[in-house]
Amino acid sequence: DQQVKQNSPSLSVQEGRISILNCDYTNSMFDYFLWYKKYPAEGPTFLISISSIKDKNEDGRFTVFLNKSAKHLSLHIMPSQPGDSAVYFCAALTSGTYKYIFGTGTRLKVLA
Amino acid sequence: DTAVSQTPKYLVTQMGNDKSIKCEQNLGHDTMYWYKQDSKKFLKIMFSYNNKELIINETVPNRFSPKSPDKAHLNLHINSLELGDSAVYFCASSPTGRAYNEQFFGPGTRLTVL
Repeated sequence: DQQVKQNSPSLSVQEGRISILNCDYTNSMFDYFLWYKKYPAEGPTFLISISSIKDKNEDGRFTVFLNKSAKHLSLHIMPSQPGDSAVYFCAALTSGTYKYIFGTGTRLKVLA
Repeated sequence: DTAVSQTPKYLVTQMGNDKSIKCEQNLGHDTMYWYKQDSKKFLKIMFSYNNKELIINETVPNRFSPKSPDKAHLNLHINSLELGDSAVYFCASSPTGRAYNEQFFGPGTRLTVL
């Protein structure tokens, strides 16, 4: 029973264009969402997060959108750069717990 | 000045052996975690300790035993290794005191059981 899903295993985007990575969840108790970026042979690194009281959070080229009614969040990277090529994981958490639930990841390839 | 470190980075061993993976964080965090990333790349939480106390213990075979000698260390001991234990194991830590926290991950330990 996968509570956090990333249905696109991979995505290719031209440099300078927008990358949109999607994530769906099923548990309505989740109230905090995070995106992590992972390069090969390294651990995931935190990118950006959003709490359920917001519908948008922005940090430089990265913006996360949350649609609670659809139980959907997305990560926008604009403009995309070749160094953004990595696997992106979304994760969800219920406040007061320490149990982060991760999606299966989307491999982003930014083409120069 | 690595924030979360794991040793070893690679571990190749035979079925039936017992092995340990060590994790240390120098971030002053109170909470530490072990995750398993299997062949399908699914990152699944196994254990979490807060101030040396076990707070999350997922459905993991009891061949796996975490040990936290102090809040900067969380080691993972695995008895009687099986082929299905082959995976990448990630240690992570996070601060407490807030409702929400991001986690800081180690580089992973790739375990191969032959």
